[in-house]
Amino acid sequence: EAGVAQSPRYKIIEKRQSVAFWCNPISGHATLYWYQQILGQGPKLLIQFQNNGVVDDSQLPKDRFSAERLKGVDSTLKIQPAKLEDSAVYLCASSLDTSGRNEQFFGPGTRLTVL
Amino acid sequence: GQNIDQPTEMTATEGAIVQINCTYQTSGFNGLFWYQQHAGEAPTFLSYNVLDGLEEKGRFSSFLSRSKGYSYLLLKELQMKDSASYLCAGRGTGRRALTFGSGTRLQVQP
Repeated sequence: EAGVAQSPRYKIIEKRQSVAFWCNPISGHATLYWYQQILGQGPKLLIQFQNNGVVDDSQLPKDRFSAERLKGVDSTLKIQPAKLEDSAVYLCASSLDTSGRNEQFFGPGTRLTVL
Repeated sequence: GQNIDQPTEMTATEGAIVQINCTYQTSGFNGLFWYQQHAGEAPTFLSYNVLDGLEEKGRFSSFLSRSKGYSYLLLKELQMKDSASYLCAGRGTGRRALTFGSGTRLQVQP
């Protein structure tokens, strides 16, 4: 079974530039999550999708971050414009459903450096 | 907020046993997860507790006390490859994602 795919793996940009990340979840997983992990900290949820609908985006900085999950499969996360403090690893995860154990499977992440 | 606390760093010796503790607010969580994360890699699932008690899986065991807001991960027969960060995470009630602690960085020494 293929895992969660993410691209790019690394990205370096200058502040005020824009960047986009892509995620392809495990086939059949209805729920998709985007997390931000700053060095030395645990992952922090940015947004959660159930199919193509947003379940929780309370911690997404909506003035600069946006995400979509068209057709309920792939997802993109965009930052526009980027700030220095956005330097982090952006992890995408997916799970089969939102009940029970709800084990989340993580992708390899995109390491973003904002200069 | 839903706070999760765990020690920042721990050191242990190869072949020994180590216990990593995690405390959390008792309200708002339904299930406690442990993930392992090697440097530069994504977190991988280790264990899940939703009821009180001990869950054993090979060299790894996890314990939960819901009334005390307390969990621990027990690693036996430590190996050098167990050097990693161990993340405690609570799953909120309803359809909420995981709230992670900052992780405990474990260093296994020869």
